[in-house]
Amino acid sequence: DSGVTQTPKHLITATGQRVTLRCSPRSGDLSVYWYQQSLDQGLQFLIQYYNGEERAKGNILERFSAQQFPDLHSELNLSSLELGDSALYFCASSVLSTAGNTIYFGEGSWLTVV
Amino acid sequence: GESVGLHLPTLSVQEGDNSIINCAYSNSASDYFIWYKQESGKGPQFIIDIRSNMDKRQGQRVTVLLNKTVKHLSLQIAATQPGDSAVYFCAENMETDSWGKLQFGAGTQVVVTP
Repeated sequence: DSGVTQTPKHLITATGQRVTLRCSPRSGDLSVYWYQQSLDQGLQFLIQYYNGEERAKGNILERFSAQQFPDLHSELNLSSLELGDSALYFCASSVLSTAGNTIYFGEGSWLTVV
Repeated sequence: GESVGLHLPTLSVQEGDNSIINCAYSNSASDYFIWYKQESGKGPQFIIDIRSNMDKRQGQRVTVLLNKTVKHLSLQIAATQPGDSAVYFCAENMETDSWGKLQFGAGTQVVVTP
């Protein structure tokens, strides 16, 4: 158990809908990362937050957004869902956002869009 | 574009033997490399990392070797056990002035046979 908690573990929703994935980082970790894992794209970096502020962005779609709250938990919002958004979404965290800080991944939220 | 890739998609190893998993990278500016293990239904689990100013780093039963001349990274697992069966990913930190925007390779499936 990495200490990173993600909910829900599984989610099935219809195209066009909106979902929110939730992440609680390890206790004391200030930096949160979101990754998407799909069969065709592999593990892809989406976005990073550090102590409530956006720190880095990857190839995150405009339909997707995230935030980190004062209690350091984070949410990833996915809207206008398409079939291609079906994937495993991972949250990860590290104590700081400086090089060498081990990044720990959660168990993921499996999203299926039908 | 530049990317991290793996040579072998599947590696079959007999229990007790040593495993070697290879990874090629193309971004010569990368300063940090990480190996993750992902078991079925779980999130990536940190194994070991190495900075670009090092050639070798050892952990418990694992050794990572870095050859910057040929841009090659390898993970050696000693005395491979059934619990080592998983997909192994190498990752590099894409931006040296920030941390956590990792680019993952495609992964190598390691299958340990009795």
